[in-house]
Amino acid sequence: AQSVTQLGSHVSVSEGALVLLRCNYSSSVPPYLFWYVQYPNQGLQLLLKYTTGATLVKGINGFEAEFKKSETSFHLTKPSAHMSDAAEYFCAVSDRGYGGSQGNLIFGKGTKLSVKP
Amino acid sequence: DAGVTQSPTHLIKTRGQHVTLRCSPISGHKSVSWYQQVLGQGPQFIFQYYEKEERGRGNFPDRFSARQFPNYSSELNVNALLLGDSALYLCASSQGELGNQPQHFGDGTRLSIL
Repeated sequence: AQSVTQLGSHVSVSEGALVLLRCNYSSSVPPYLFWYVQYPNQGLQLLLKYTTGATLVKGINGFEAEFKKSETSFHLTKPSAHMSDAAEYFCAVSDRGYGGSQGNLIFGKGTKLSVKP
Repeated sequence: DAGVTQSPTHLIKTRGQHVTLRCSPISGHKSVSWYQQVLGQGPQFIFQYYEKEERGRGNFPDRFSARQFPNYSSELNVNALLLGDSALYLCASSQGELGNQPQHFGDGTRLSIL
């Protein structure tokens, strides 16, 4: 079964510093990959996705992620953190098909990002 | 365009009761999925519906059921509520049922069981 591992349940950075949130998946067939952000008392907002093509994908709010098949990773980065980036971030995968539900997003446990002034 | 809307936003129930949660997808979206998010965890998949048919079911007991209506809105029903059912229930919609189509989430229904 697919699984997603997010290293670090809590990451703290200073405003203006690099943000790096780690995500690894377990699958012999590369899945579709997504990053979502969740602000308190809200649902999840899609940041970016990788389905095919260029392995470096750009998303909203200056975030980007790189799909590395050899490392089974899809780490999320942002060059310069803003206070407004403080939230919880979830990495998720879905199957490329061949039976079963493709609408089944499998989420990691999340990484809470704190931004210090 | 309106996003995914869920109702109610908050709900308090007691053990043994049943509950119905409602979801309206983004206009034009035909797939609706339901997730349970327990505090401190990532969402867990419950159901996916596409064109009124169940397309997938997660590892949840039969007390959980759902349906999708002709206008693509959906209901999630939970019977015989347990304390452990306390969670944020999220609905997500997408244009189709394929895994490469991003899912757009509502703000959820927070269910508390006393």
